[in-house]
Amino acid sequence: GAVVSQHPSWVICKSGTSVKIECRSLDFQATTMFWYRQFPKQSLMLMATSNEGSKATYEQGVEKDKFLINHASLTLSTLTVTSAHPEDSSFYICSARDSTGAYSYEQYFGPGTRLTVT
Amino acid sequence: AQSVAQPEDQVNVAEGNPLTVKCTYSVSGNPYLFWYVQYPNRGLQFLLKYITGDNLVKGSYGFEAEFNKSQTSFHLKKPSALVSDSALYFCAVSFSGGYQKVTFGTGTKLQVIP
Repeated sequence: GAVVSQHPSWVICKSGTSVKIECRSLDFQATTMFWYRQFPKQSLMLMATSNEGSKATYEQGVEKDKFLINHASLTLSTLTVTSAHPEDSSFYICSARDSTGAYSYEQYFGPGTRLTVT
Repeated sequence: AQSVAQPEDQVNVAEGNPLTVKCTYSVSGNPYLFWYVQYPNRGLQFLLKYITGDNLVKGSYGFEAEFNKSQTSFHLKKPSALVSDSALYFCAVSFSGGYQKVTFGTGTKLQVIP
């Protein structure tokens, strides 16, 4: 089955620093990847849609300059949290849509990255 | 606009008993419906989906869900609950022509009591 990986699985950083999270589709090509944020005991909130070779589409209320997304290849999207603050601490999950599969509506989710900003 | 409602924050069921986790949805167009399970500090695992065809959908780990168009529901069921089924369950919806964006419900915590 389709596998999506995320790296790192958890990260602790100091306030003011930047953190990069990678999302990779391991055995399929993904022209579209999605970045979600999940607060404790809450649902997933879509942050942005990442399209290979073009600018990401951000959801309303998400700061594009703070959450930089790059989708440089068909198997890799990155989310960089710039100048991180404690309120950015969260569980970040990516998903990828198999652009070549018969069921293009399916999304495959990564295991998530736990970010803690101190 | 599309939305998903999971009316129960938590469902408790005794091991061996049948379980139901409720989900209702609202979309414009034909719905694509999904159920995912999440264990603590883990990503989402796909359980099952309804796209078209039979209203009763069977998925992983013995789970099934029934699509009811008139009631706009997609309840998750299992005939006999296991303690290991205890987790957070999310219902999600997309729709034909809008598959780029999936909307998740707020999640239901399932607690299976030994």
